[in-house]
This record gives sequence, structure tokens and C-alpha cells, in this order.
Amino acid sequence: AQKITQTQPGMFVQEKEAVTLDCTYDTSDPSYGLFWYKQPSSGEMIFLIYQGSYDQQNATEGRYSLNFQKARKSANLVISASQLGDSAMYFCAMSIYNFNKFYFGSGTKLNVKP
Amino acid sequence: DAGITQSPRHKVTETGTPVTLRCHQTENHRYMYWYRQDPGHGLRLIHYSYGVKDTDKGEVSDGYSVSRSKTEDFLLTLESATSSQTSVYFCAISESTSESPDTQYFGPGTRLTVL
Repeated sequence: AQKITQTQPGMFVQEKEAVTLDCTYDTSDPSYGLFWYKQPSSGEMIFLIYQGSYDQQNATEGRYSLNFQKARKSANLVISASQLGDSAMYFCAMSIYNFNKFYFGSGTKLNVKP
Repeated sequence: DAGITQSPRHKVTETGTPVTLRCHQTENHRYMYWYRQDPGHGLRLIHYSYGVKDTDKGEVSDGYSVSRSKTEDFLLTLESATSSQTSVYFCAISESTSESPDTQYFGPGTRLTVL
């Protein structure tokens, strides 16, 4: 069975500092993708970053990077130089190739302090 | 941004009444999904569709039905709404292939309250 675990219900970070949001996953399938989404207080779900299980390098998108450690089955999101607008819920998700369902973690609420 | 709309955006209804939520996409994506979001549970899949008239159940499908008669529209119906179905409902689309899972893009959500 597929499972995504986010163990940090809430986190605080000082503005301009970096922060890491944890995500671990469980699957026996060798082909999968890992995703991070941001949900601000306005409610929309915003796609941030994707990492494929066969990708050799960690994915990066601007201030977002995904720290992919395959052996540990972790896919942590790193946000560099936090901004007040980064305050939101963050969800980690996984999808298996040939199997078009997403599995979501329970989310981490990030608060950026000025 | 992916062209996904949901209607209505907000609805208040009474227990026992039927409710239909609509998801409309302009991307011509093959796959469409309905999720519900509740505090502490993240997003949970209700039903999904992999083509016109092709649908399947997700993990929380009891009390819900879906229909997809056109590529662009995916309807979610609560046959007889209950208070436990008070939630925020999200529609999503993707164009997954066998080579890689495609990103899911989400609609703006519908906030449903069942009194």
C-alpha cells in the first residue's frame, strides 16, 4: 500500500531563513513521482515541485528544492530565504507510474515570522 | 494556470437533499478527480475518471456518485446529503501516461455545508 507521512503539523520560521518540511513515503513500486503543493489561506492548491523516482538530481524551482533521499524514502521540501507570503499549508503527495491516483500527506502549516 | 472551474463555489443545504457539484476543464485532459479536504486528513480521493463514461472509486466513495458524459465535465453527486459530508471539495485534472505520473492541477474548490 502507498502512504505519505508528514510528521510536522506546524512550523515557524523567521523571515529570510531557510526551512525544511519533512515528508516520508512508502511504496514497493520502483516507479513513482513525488510532488509538493502549497495551500495558502485563500484555499487554492498550488503545484510547487516534482521529483521522479529515477531522477538523479534533486529538483529545484526557484526558492524551492526537493531533497530526495531514495534509500530513506524521504522527499523533504526546502524553502530558501523564507518570505511572509510563504505562510501556508504544504502538502506532500505521491503518484505511481501506470496508476493515476495521488496519495496526500496530512500537511504541514508553515508560519513565517517577520 | 490550468483552466479548471468548479460550481457552485459555496453551497449550504439541508440533510437529506441531493446535491450536485460540477467541475469543468478547458485543457482536454483525460483524467479528472474529486477530492474532499477535512482538517487533519489532507485530501482524500472520492472518485476519479479516466475517460468519458469511465470512472472508478477512491478511498472515500460511500455516499457519492459521479458521471462524466463529456471530456470537459465531471459531476459529483451526493444523493442524500449528510452532515458528515460537510467539507471542501476539490476537482483536479491530469494527463498521466504510462511513462510518468503527470502533475495534478486543482480547481478553486467548493465549500459545502450540510445542516
